[in-house]
Amino acid sequence: GEDVEQSLFLSVREGDSSVINCTYTDSSSTYLYWYKQEPGAGLQLLTYIFSNMDMKQDQRLTVLLNKKDKHLSLRIADTQTGDSAIYFCAVINNAGNMLTFGGGTRLMVKP
Amino acid sequence: DTEVTQTPKHLVMGMTNKKSLKCEQHMGHRAMYWYKQKAKKPPELMFVYSYEKLSINESVPSRFSPECPNSSLLNLHLHALQPEDSALYLCASSQFPNRGDEQYFGPGTRLTVT
Repeated sequence: GEDVEQSLFLSVREGDSSVINCTYTDSSSTYLYWYKQEPGAGLQLLTYIFSNMDMKQDQRLTVLLNKKDKHLSLRIADTQTGDSAIYFCAVINNAGNMLTFGGGTRLMVKP
Repeated sequence: DTEVTQTPKHLVMGMTNKKSLKCEQHMGHRAMYWYKQKAKKPPELMFVYSYEKLSINESVPSRFSPECPNSSLLNLHLHALQPEDSALYLCASSQFPNRGDEQYFGPGTRLTVT
């Protein structure tokens, strides 16, 4: 089955850029997603990218997809303390009905 | 509006109790999902409903029984649970099944089994 990997932890200073990385194994995945989860809360869909795109920008968020290396990244510009959370990348299977999540990256933003 | 609501927010139940978790969406979505999330872990898929019919059961024990009474509602009936079933239970929905549409999650029900 699909395997999705993320680094566990990232610490940045307020105002810096954050880059959260994700690798996956199934090259047939069509949509790739980024979710944010704050403590005790559900998952908030941040953005997604279709597999025929290299980049997608949405305000402070930039998603980069390297399909050859099966590498996905989320860049958060001007990171704020409110961005502190766990970020999950998720990949949809070929049938379009099952999401596989990475283990999550805990982002800590220091004032 | 991309809201999925879940009730209750918290639930404590004994191993002999029967309880139900409820999920509702009014976005006209035709696919709905139950996930289980343990602490410091990613969500794990339990069930998928497509057009109100169960389409995927990820080998979930029978003490968890899903139900989709109509296109807006999804229930998860719980009976004879074990302490290891304590977790955050998340509901999600997407516009259509089998298309990779983005899934919108509810806030979850924090379940504690004593």
